[in-house]
Amino acid sequence: EPEVTQTPSHQVTQMGQEVILRCVPISNHLYFYWYRQILGQKVEFLVSFYNNEISEKSEIFDDQFSVERPDGSNFTLKIRSTKLEDSAMYFCASSQDGNYGYTFGSGTRLTVV
Amino acid sequence: KNEVEQSPQNLTAQEGEFITINCSYSVGISALHWLQQHPGGGIVSLFMLSSGKKKHGRLIATINIQEKHSSLHITASHPRDSAVYICAVDLVQGNLIFGKGTKLSVKP
Repeated sequence: EPEVTQTPSHQVTQMGQEVILRCVPISNHLYFYWYRQILGQKVEFLVSFYNNEISEKSEIFDDQFSVERPDGSNFTLKIRSTKLEDSAMYFCASSQDGNYGYTFGSGTRLTVV
Repeated sequence: KNEVEQSPQNLTAQEGEFITINCSYSVGISALHWLQQHPGGGIVSLFMLSSGKKKHGRLIATINIQEKHSSLHITASHPRDSAVYICAVDLVQGNLIFGKGTKLSVKP
């Protein structure tokens, strides 16, 4: 069964450093999403991406965050200057057309120290 | 504020029991999702519903749009069903509002 692949599975970074979280969505999917889950809290929506542009974003997704689909297969989330409160599990998801459910990746656990 | 409320928060069952997890939400939605999160953290999509009922194996999901309520049922529960079950409502394309989850533990 097709999978959404996220790398790395765990990343530790110094506060203030830039991080890039990588995702390879399912190949025929057109809609891409990032979510995050701070330890012990609910999952939260960050951003949705379609046709090479952001279609929706949450209040969390401020100027420190950006997304990109650099090469037609990868979908990346960049955090420019990480803060301690960015420590969370970040999930990528994709869907074919938004009407048939989403496939989630296994997540990247980001730890900012 | 948009809210998604799940009940119960925690549920312990004996193997073989019929399980129901409930979800209520407060606004109009385009769809509702039931997700499963295992202890390792990964999320699996179980159902996406906009009306009626869906069934997959021992899992059944129902939604009542008028009452803004959905239920997830597990028949003949098994220890491998132990996980956190999350309800999430889809406001606009991918903008999901998640519930806090129901932690299910099925004892052999």
